[in-house]
Amino acid sequence: DIQMTQSPSSLSASVGDRVTITCRASQDISGFLAWYQQKPGRVPNLLIYATSILQSGVPSRFSGSASGTDFTLTISSLQPEDVATYYCQKYNSAPRTFGQGTKVEIK
Amino acid sequence: QVQLVESGGGVVQPGRSLRLSCAASGFRFSSYGMHWVRQAPGKGLEWVAFIWYDGSNKYYADSVKGRFTVSRDNSKSTLYLQMNSLRAEDTAVYYCARDLQIYCSGSSCYPNDYWGQGTLVTVSS
Repeated sequence: DIQMTQSPSSLSASVGDRVTITCRASQDISGFLAWYQQKPGRVPNLLIYATSILQSGVPSRFSGSASGTDFTLTISSLQPEDVATYYCQKYNSAPRTFGQGTKVEIK
Repeated sequence: QVQLVESGGGVVQPGRSLRLSCAASGFRFSSYGMHWVRQAPGKGLEWVAFIWYDGSNKYYADSVKGRFTVSRDNSKSTLYLQMNSLRAEDTAVYYCARDLQIYCSGSSCYPNDYWGQGTLVTVSS
């Protein structure tokens, strides 16, 4: 099975900072990569799919990119409402593995 | 609006069974593949199972294969998860989730755009 390695496991940044989270696939997943945001006590929310397509209603400060099997979620200017845990997920085939999650906090 | 409402969770002893339901509304349920995803307390997300829009194909995580069965009743717009031989490590909040687009015809096609609020399953003696 393809493994998804997400880093860092947590980070603390200031409001307005640029934040990047990385997810590395152990094999080619042909860009079938999604990012979810899960705020404390809430249900996961789809942010980005197909590596870089922003889901409807998601603020434009969120973006996704890839280089080979390395995928990146970028928050261009961190806001207080972005405090959450972020997960990547590959969905090219079953099993649909999630990354371990990155907890984002405000410094 | 799209709604997914899970039910059926609770406390169950190891080795026993439980059936979860997910009632869908606000969209054409019979056109969408559906998933179960779980989250152990304080842990990350784990995909559990996927069923095609017409119920003809099903896929499972290795951790539940042979013990869990996903099914659906399109006439009732309801998704099910039959969980047998439950173990302590199955303790989690179980979410149902919808495919982003219709008519997936593979083992996995789309991410999940709508999620239910989840139902807690606790396996303990």
